[in-house]
Amino acid sequence: SQQGEEDPQALSIQEGENATMNCSYKTSINNLQWYRQNSGRGLVHLILIRSNEREKHSGRLRVTLDTSKKSSSLLITASRAADTASYFCATKEFYFGSGTKLNVKP
Amino acid sequence: DAGVTQSPTHLIKTRGQQVTLRCSPKSGHDTVSWYQQALGQGPQFIFQYYEEEERQRGNFPDRFSGHQFPNYSSELNVNALLLGDSALYLCASSLGQGPMRQYFGPGTRLTVT
Repeated sequence: SQQGEEDPQALSIQEGENATMNCSYKTSINNLQWYRQNSGRGLVHLILIRSNEREKHSGRLRVTLDTSKKSSSLLITASRAADTASYFCATKEFYFGSGTKLNVKP
Repeated sequence: DAGVTQSPTHLIKTRGQQVTLRCSPKSGHDTVSWYQQALGQGPQFIFQYYEEEERQRGNFPDRFSGHQFPNYSSELNVNALLLGDSALYLCASSLGQGPMRQYFGPGTRLTVT
């Protein structure tokens, strides 16, 4: 399988807390991307990390990539209710996992 | 600057029928990819069109076909609809074929009865 798999499947936290979700994959990759989807709508690109990068930041988002373990993590700091969404990792551009459903309670 | 648009928004079809979904890419983009997303699942890659040709294809049967026009817009056709084809169909556009950020449309919700 070329797709990544996110973990946990669901995560519920309080506003202000940090949220961490993980992605594992099986094949070699050139890059890995994270996307967000609000309730059955189109996906929004969050961040792309290349295979030669170990960490990348964008605002409150921090993504790490460990190619030796074939895994990536997405950290959202100081979460807000508006961060409630499903988060997907994508490998080889096209292959998405089943996602982590994040619920941030106000 | 218009983003990715898809039509129609919703569609109800009967088993065995055929359906055509349409997508206009973001201005300046030349590559269109199509995905099927079942409820509670991640998007599954159907195929990608670039320069009016299918460049890559996921694990979908030949009932799923597509087309890209000279203005880069695209159509997804599904023949002999099955109940299992009920899903959200997403179109994504990007520039070129390198490691790319994709911009997604809002999707077409297809229900097969």
